[in-house]
Amino acid sequence: EVHLVQSGAEVKKPGDSLKISCKASGYSFSTSYIGWVRQMPGTGLEWMGMIWPDDSQTIYSPSFQGQVTISADKSMATAYLQWTSLEASDSAIYYCVRRVKGTDAVYFDSWGQGTLVTVSS
Amino acid sequence: QSALIQPASVSGSPGQSITISCTGSSSDIGIYNYVSWYQQHPGRAPKLMIYDVSNRPSGVSDRFSGSKSGNTASLIISGLQAEDEANYYCSSYTPTTPVVFGGGTSLAVL
Repeated sequence: EVHLVQSGAEVKKPGDSLKISCKASGYSFSTSYIGWVRQMPGTGLEWMGMIWPDDSQTIYSPSFQGQVTISADKSMATAYLQWTSLEASDSAIYYCVRRVKGTDAVYFDSWGQGTLVTVSS
Repeated sequence: QSALIQPASVSGSPGQSITISCTGSSSDIGIYNYVSWYQQHPGRAPKLMIYDVSNRPSGVSDRFSGSKSGNTASLIISGLQAEDEANYYCSSYTPTTPVVFGGGTSLAVL
């Protein structure tokens, strides 16, 4: 069974850096895209980007390009989402997601439990 | 503003059928059969319910079905049950970004 287990909630100040993680198990980590979806308080879902862990090729949503960095350590079967300078508007729940294989479409069949990030002075 | 437009809320009584619409454009839903639907209960992660317009992943009840006509996709839930009360999000492939979500629809089972 596929499991995506994310790191715990974070409380940060504006300007802080942050790296959250997503530990995968139950499948071949290197050969499935893994990505991140943002959900701001009381709002909908936004796809941020994804990475192919085998060669670390990344694809970003235009809305998040340059704002965050997605990385992966295939030896640890873990994906990461990183900020260098947080803003209050980054406060949200962040879900890691696994992309369904075998289709040109982008669907997510497994989701982590979510990591709540709160940015406040 | 989401690229895919969903009604903010729908409601139905137990046993009834309801339909949630998802309206896109001729650049996304209109030409690609890459529409999916996710269910999200409060405080929980979303769950994939429908993919490729009308296919159900293993384990999803056959009370859930999907369809598409023109630029609009639909999620149909038949035999409504209390446990179906949740938020529902559609998504589609687009040429500019591989996936975009709708704004979400809150389903109330009265």
